Amino acid sequence: EIVLTQSPGTLSLSPGERATLSCRASQSVSSSYLAWYQQKPGQAPRLLIYGASSRATGIPDRFSGSGSGTDFTLTISRLEPEDFAVYYCQQYGSSLAFGQGTKVEIK
Amino acid sequence: QVQLVQSGAEVKKPGASVKVSCKASGYTFTSYAMHWVRQAPGQSLEWMGWINAGNGNTKYSQNFQGRVTITRDTSASTAYMELSSLRSEDTAVYYCARADQYQLLTHFYYYGMDVWGQGTTVTVSS
Repeated sequence: EIVLTQSPGTLSLSPGERATLSCRASQSVSSSYLAWYQQKPGQAPRLLIYGASSRATGIPDRFSGSGSGTDFTLTISRLEPEDFAVYYCQQYGSSLAFGQGTKVEIK
Repeated sequence: QVQLVQSGAEVKKPGASVKVSCKASGYTFTSYAMHWVRQAPGQSLEWMGWINAGNGNTKYSQNFQGRVTITRDTSASTAYMELSSLRSEDTAVYYCARADQYQLLTHFYYYGMDVWGQGTTVTVSS
């Protein structure tokens, strides 16, 4: 079973700053099966990125995904107030799993 | 608009079963898969399984094998998740989520879970 480890656990940044979130897999993951989600308190998750780098419908271009193999990154180029949330990576190999999440909080 | 509407909150005793429904609208129900994901208080997301709404095929997480059953009623555009032998650790918010995924020859295509239900809180307590 592939385990996803996200870092850091919490990222404290100010609006307008760049956020870089990491997702590391315990074994190689096909980029086709790597997704990122955003979740705000009391809400369901929202798909941001699929296929490691493709933005989902309606997602602003300040969100970008990259990576391959075991290392993947979600970058938010300039944080907007509505971007402060928890972010999860997710892979679908032989089974499906989520990382433990990275919280992006206002500094 | 495309939406998934889930059934209401449930309170169950340990050992009981719970069945949560997820009604789809605004799209062709049988053209997508439906996943079930749960989130215990303050915890990450945990995948439970999915159903191909078209042919009814299912795949379950090993963590729930034998305890979870996912079904669908195409005439009602509704998917169901039933979890049995409930214990306190099953207290969580349960989500259904639509996924665009399909098998073509030997390749499996997956485009993520793009529409989510509002969540159903299941509380297991004696």
